[in-house]
Amino acid sequence: AQSVTQLDSQVPVFEEAPVELRCNYSSSVSVYLFWYVQYPNQGLQLLLKYLSGSTLVKGINGFEAEFNKSQTSFHLRKPSVHISDTAEYFCAVSRGSGDKLTFGTGTRLAVRP
Amino acid sequence: SAVISQKPSRDICQRGTSLTIQCQVDSQVTMMFWYRQQPGQSLTLIATANQGSEATYESGFVIDKFPISRPNLTFSTLTVSNMSPEDSSIYLCSVVGVPASYGYTFGSGTRLTVV
Repeated sequence: AQSVTQLDSQVPVFEEAPVELRCNYSSSVSVYLFWYVQYPNQGLQLLLKYLSGSTLVKGINGFEAEFNKSQTSFHLRKPSVHISDTAEYFCAVSRGSGDKLTFGTGTRLAVRP
Repeated sequence: SAVISQKPSRDICQRGTSLTIQCQVDSQVTMMFWYRQQPGQSLTLIATANQGSEATYESGFVIDKFPISRPNLTFSTLTVSNMSPEDSSIYLCSVVGVPASYGYTFGSGTRLTVV
């Protein structure tokens, strides 16, 4: 079975600074990888996904992530964060073809002025 | 991507009662899933709703507590039975598009408080 590890439960950062949210996965088969964002009291919104092809994936709101198969990682990055990026970020993995999503424990990004 | 309508958006229920949550999708989808998000926690899969057959439950979740129906390819319900305060959570419906590479879409969730 696959699993996801988000080592950082909370990441504080100043506005306009760069940020990286870490995600590592474990799976014995090829996987699809996702990052979702959840703003306070709101539902889940897809930021980006890796299915195949280029390992650098660009998403919405200026976020990008890089799939690294050898390190089994899918870290999320943004070169300059805004106050509005304050939210909970979830990394998730599936084996594809409509398989269930397995979520990490989430990382709370707190952007300070 | 698919659009999901999930109802109710929130409810406050008495312990010992049951609540049925509905998930309506605007297109036919292959896979439908029900998740629970306890306060301050991540999402945990409850079960996969299979069209025309019994749902597939994850470890720790049982049909008597969380009965699920899926009568067609666009609709599913999750019932939270004999509720206790520990069932207070957000319950979310999720679907996989056709083809699956279109990704997973989530409903806006049902915020349940059991008193």
